[in-house]
Amino acid sequence: AQSVSQHNHHVILSEAASLELGCNYSYGGTVNLFWYVQYPGQHLQLLLKYFSGDPLVKGIKGFEAEFIKSKFSFNLRKPSVQWSDTAEYFCAVTGLLYNQGGKLIFGQGTELSVKP
Amino acid sequence: DTGVSQNPRHKITKRGQNVTFRCDPISEHNRLYWYRQTLGQGPEFLTYFQNEAQLEKSRLLSDRFSAERPKGSFSTLEIQRTEQGDSAMYLCASSPTASGSYNEQFFGPGTRLTVL
Repeated sequence: AQSVSQHNHHVILSEAASLELGCNYSYGGTVNLFWYVQYPGQHLQLLLKYFSGDPLVKGIKGFEAEFIKSKFSFNLRKPSVQWSDTAEYFCAVTGLLYNQGGKLIFGQGTELSVKP
Repeated sequence: DTGVSQNPRHKITKRGQNVTFRCDPISEHNRLYWYRQTLGQGPEFLTYFQNEAQLEKSRLLSDRFSAERPKGSFSTLEIQRTEQGDSAMYLCASSPTASGSYNEQFFGPGTRLTVL
């Protein structure tokens, strides 16, 4: 079955600390991988995406993620978090086949709280 | 850029009543998706449309749920005989693709349904 697992449900960090959020997926075939972010009171927005090529992808606001195919992982990182990074983060996967429709399979989310 | 809009933003109803939600996708986006998100979980895929054709429905979508996208523009999601377990955030997303390759999904703000 297709699934995405995020290891941390709630992470609390102080400003300037480094961040790494884990994401593992189970999906047959070639996939696209995403991280979405939901800031308090706002809707889901794309943080970064991996389609192919360089497994280290950079997104908005200094975030990056590394795709490790052998580990079925797509961990999100940021060297130094800010209070404004407080949000919920979702890892998601979709298959590339046309009949898979592009539907996203999401992980359960990680709530990040950054203390000023 | 108006983005994806959803109405209403909040809906409170009594068990057994019918409710209908509307989603207006970004203009000219071919694909439209519905997801459901419950507290502490990531969004779960419900169904999607390619233009006016409903191409896939999740097993989560019971017979009480029906979705339409007449003329390939806005979409409605109706829930008949609501149950307390239907309480959730209902999210709509759209993407521009009509081919086998993935395009980014843009999410709306969601409709929060509370069934009393």
